[in-house]
Amino acid sequence: DVKVTQSSRYLVKRTGEKVFLECVQDMDHENMFWYRQDPGLGLRLIYFSYDVKMKEKGDIPEGYSVSREKKERFSLILESASTNQTSMYLCASSFWQGDEQFFGPGTRLTVL
Amino acid sequence: SQQGEEDPQALSIQEGENATMNCSYKTSINNLQWYRQNSGRGLVHLILIRSNEREKHSGRLRVTLDTSKKSSSLLITASRAADTASYFCATLRRTYKYIFGTGTRLKVLA
Repeated sequence: DVKVTQSSRYLVKRTGEKVFLECVQDMDHENMFWYRQDPGLGLRLIYFSYDVKMKEKGDIPEGYSVSREKKERFSLILESASTNQTSMYLCASSFWQGDEQFFGPGTRLTVL
Repeated sequence: SQQGEEDPQALSIQEGENATMNCSYKTSINNLQWYRQNSGRGLVHLILIRSNEREKHSGRLRVTLDTSKKSSSLLITASRAADTASYFCATLRRTYKYIFGTGTRLKVLA
């Protein structure tokens, strides 16, 4: 079975902290994505990567950065967490651009 | 702005009935996909329909796509309590970025 895992299901951080969210896929997929999901706003794309060390901004990249040093791992970094970054963060991967996406279980991040 | 807009926002039906959800979008697409999300979990892919297809079936699911109206519908036949979830459409733009709608919350009553 294909699998996308995320490092934490729940995370509580303080304003100003640096936060790392990790995502690992075991399907040898080229493409990986980070979304945030907020009530009434659906899923919004933060960043995606179509190859190792490659990244592209999504619709809401401000306040976030990403790292993809290995094909299977895609990290989302909040350089200085703020309360408006409290959200559900979902990682996904796909074999090629335009293919179905496989999602991880999500990380619910609360920034106090 | 959100490209995919699902309608209705919420739907409550009895087990055994059919459920229909609609998705409208604004710009040209390469394909349209439907996903299901159980409460507080990740999304699960249901079906993909390409821009040159009009209808697609998968088990109890039937998806239609009308590119002239920029809309799609998802029909779940003979619904079950286990179908209770949120359903999202996702459109793939030419830039290979997906846009997800805000979802339809389906509740199937036993």
